[in-house]
Amino acid sequence: GIQVEQSPPDLILQEGANSTLRCNFSDSVNNLQWFHQNPWGQLINLFYIPSGTKQNGRLSATTVATERYSLLYISSSQTTDSGVYFCAVEPNAGNMLTFGGGTRLMVKP
Amino acid sequence: DVKVTQSSRYLVKRTGEKVFLECVQDMDHENMFWYRQDPGLGLRLIYFSYDVKMKEKGDIPEGYSVSREKKERFSLILESASTNQTSMYLCASIYGRMNTEAFFGQGTRLTVV
Repeated sequence: GIQVEQSPPDLILQEGANSTLRCNFSDSVNNLQWFHQNPWGQLINLFYIPSGTKQNGRLSATTVATERYSLLYISSSQTTDSGVYFCAVEPNAGNMLTFGGGTRLMVKP
Repeated sequence: DVKVTQSSRYLVKRTGEKVFLECVQDMDHENMFWYRQDPGLGLRLIYFSYDVKMKEKGDIPEGYSVSREKKERFSLILESASTNQTSMYLCASIYGRMNTEAFFGQGTRLTVV
């Protein structure tokens, strides 16, 4: 099946810093989403981005489908950004979301 | 806004009990999924359903079954709960077969003692 790798696995930032999270995938995809898992465990949708670039406030994402990667940018990080960020993809061959291992972000005040 | 609701946020059950985890979505989505999340193993797909009464096995179906009698409701059943099924369970729904956004419920943290 498709492989999804996220990097870095862990990231510690000082409040106000910027960061880039990366998601690599091994095959063509129909769908790519970024989620933020909050401390209570719920997955919050950040971006639905099978290709191109989107922005939402301090967050933006870019997917280069032909090169099989996606990037999530967090600017001016805040303590509330802490949590785990997941990338999930839906392969062309099926309709099941496959998740990467996540990036655990801690933003310190 | 799409809403996916799981029946319990926290659940404690005894070994050997039959356990039902319920998930309801309110947006007429065709596809529904059950995942479990464990430290170091990420999210793994247990079962999914693309229509009423239809189901397909995911990566780790052993010890679980599912039921989808109505489009909006997808139930995960642990026939005889075991301690290795202690986990966070997440339900998701997606509108179509491809190219559409998935939405997740709030999660159920199940402890089997």
